[in-house]
Amino acid sequence: AQSVTQLDSHVSVSEGTPVLLRCNYSSSYSPSLFWYVQHPNKGLQLLLKYTSAATLVKGINGFEAEFKKSETSFHLTKPSAHMSDAAEYFCVVSDSDDYKLSFGAGTTVTVRA
Amino acid sequence: NAGVTQTPKFQVLKTGQSMTLQCAQDMNHEYMSWYRQDPGMGLRLIHYSVGAGITDQGEVPNGYNVSRSTTEDFPLRLLSAAPSQTSVYFCASSTKRTNTGELFFGEGSRLTVL
Repeated sequence: AQSVTQLDSHVSVSEGTPVLLRCNYSSSYSPSLFWYVQHPNKGLQLLLKYTSAATLVKGINGFEAEFKKSETSFHLTKPSAHMSDAAEYFCVVSDSDDYKLSFGAGTTVTVRA
Repeated sequence: NAGVTQTPKFQVLKTGQSMTLQCAQDMNHEYMSWYRQDPGMGLRLIHYSVGAGITDQGEVPNGYNVSRSTTEDFPLRLLSAAPSQTSVYFCASSTKRTNTGELFFGEGSRLTVL
């Protein structure tokens, strides 16, 4: 069985400071891991994905995430937050071929001017 | 590029009414799915389809029906609406298996059941 836990329901940062969104996963197999972003009243958009290649994954808009198997983590970071990063972020895991993804509960990011 | 289009964007129903949420994609994707989003619960899979004529249940299928008569369209039917079905519904599609491919989402349909 697969599952994902996002450790923070809400993160508030100042513009220009680093952003860290934490995600731990549980998987019986070698997982695929994703981060999606949802801006207000919009659908979800893929930020980045890990599918057993390089453990440090770079995504769009300056985000990156590191897959750490020993810690079962896939934390999302960005060196410098921008006002446009205010959104909800979802960590997603899939460890099988049965078309079923498991979404985390989401982390809402607020960026202060 | 239209991508994934959902209609309607907003709907209010009374308990016991039925309705259909429409989803269409113009990317020739084989895989299509419906999710519901509730506060603090992320997205939960309702039904999915891996091609025309093929559908299967997800995590929370009760109270919903789907069909896939064409590659482009994947409607979600609420048979007898209940207040517990108040939610935001997202349709998503992909050209690959979801454990490696990117899901493309519609902008959502916000349903309130009174």
